[in-house]
Amino acid sequence: AQTVTQSQPEMSVQEAETVTLSCTYDTSENNYYLFWYKQPPSRQMILVIRQEAYKQQNATENRFSVNFQKAAKSFSLKISDSQLGDTAMYFCAFMKQIYGIQGAQKLVFGQGTRLTINP
Amino acid sequence: DTEVTQTPKHLVMGMTNKKSLKCEQHMGHRAMYWYKQKAKKPPELMFVYSYEKLSINESVPSRFSPECPNSSLLNLHLHALQPEDSALYLCASSQVLKGDGELFFGEGSRLTVL
Repeated sequence: AQTVTQSQPEMSVQEAETVTLSCTYDTSENNYYLFWYKQPPSRQMILVIRQEAYKQQNATENRFSVNFQKAAKSFSLKISDSQLGDTAMYFCAFMKQIYGIQGAQKLVFGQGTRLTINP
Repeated sequence: DTEVTQTPKHLVMGMTNKKSLKCEQHMGHRAMYWYKQKAKKPPELMFVYSYEKLSINESVPSRFSPECPNSSLLNLHLHALQPEDSALYLCASSQVLKGDGELFFGEGSRLTVL
């Protein structure tokens, strides 16, 4: 079974600083997707960034980038120039394709990291 | 329209009540999901519908009854719930064949069982 581990329950940084959130996972699959989702106090889960396992290049989305180390099964999120609006719970997630059920997808979430950006 | 709309946002019910949660999307997604999220915990998958058919039931108690009447709607019928069922219930949808994993989530329905 796939597992996702986030070892930092809480983090706090000052506005404009750079912060890195850690995530490790365990799987025997070779092809899969990894995600970082953000859940602000408003409750809605929002996709921050996605990484396809077969791609060597690390994904980037504006101030958000990942460091994907497939051999080490590590997938960290770097937030540059952090902003107050980045305050949220961040979940690392692994997507397991469910074979035999057409297109159904199951996300396995880590326990989350509560990130606070201080003014 | 990239929204998943959930109603009601808040629901308080007694253990003998029958209530329903509703989820709607108009993105043409043919996979829809119910997740349960307890405070400070990650979402836990409950059910998956693919092409309006129940694909996955993660051993959820029968007091939770999902229904997918059409490709845009997903309901979760609640009956004889327990206080420990109090949680945030999240609905999500995704494309089926694209398979890139992006789930679009609603804001959730906060359920309190007295």
